[in-house]
Amino acid sequence: DAKTTQPPSMDCAEGRAANLPCNHSTISGNEYVYWYRQIHSQGPQYIIHGLKNNETNEMASLIITEDRKSSTLILPHATLRDTAVYYCIVRDYTGTASKLTFGTGTRLQVTL
Amino acid sequence: GAVVSQHPSWVICKSGTSVKIECRSLDFQATTMFWYRQFPKQSLMLMATSNEGSKATYEQGVEKDKFLINHASLTLSTLTVTSAHPEDSSFYICSAVENSYEQYFGPGTRLTVT
Repeated sequence: DAKTTQPPSMDCAEGRAANLPCNHSTISGNEYVYWYRQIHSQGPQYIIHGLKNNETNEMASLIITEDRKSSTLILPHATLRDTAVYYCIVRDYTGTASKLTFGTGTRLQVTL
Repeated sequence: GAVVSQHPSWVICKSGTSVKIECRSLDFQATTMFWYRQFPKQSLMLMATSNEGSKATYEQGVEKDKFLINHASLTLSTLTVTSAHPEDSSFYICSAVENSYEQYFGPGTRLTVT
């Protein structure tokens, strides 16, 4: 699986949009971009994933650049409960139960 | 849907004893489950891939005789830490793969070896 690069930490004021970047310059054509988050002492929680089109769900939006070498996870109105470590993972999605390789992630701190 | 549970949520054991951790998929069948370990302030590290009815596949550097994995049914995988030592103290997390190949994670088990 392709390697990803994320900033180690970010701060965001409550109510503001949190934009978390991820570089995945070696991504291949059959790899999706996945985002998970891990709140302290809990298991990872799935947020969103995409291949090349922008995606949106009730939790977040995912913006993938046209060359697919980077992406941004957007939490439109961050709350204190969004404080967590956010992991960007690229994953081969060829119809198999492929493993996820977690990097170091971005620690997002949402403040009042 | 797609809920994964782990039991126990935390456990303390004495050095030299064995501890079993259960991972269950509550509302779906999982042919494949994964076991991860996470040390404080570090990321998740994959330990092994557990496939129902066959032997687990261990990642490089993970001792298969120390971390015994059994995937006896489509809803249950167990991880047994044998002859536990203080350095095995960690947060153990499982995930289960459902039909669409998405992974769903359990809440984790915190093991402390004294």
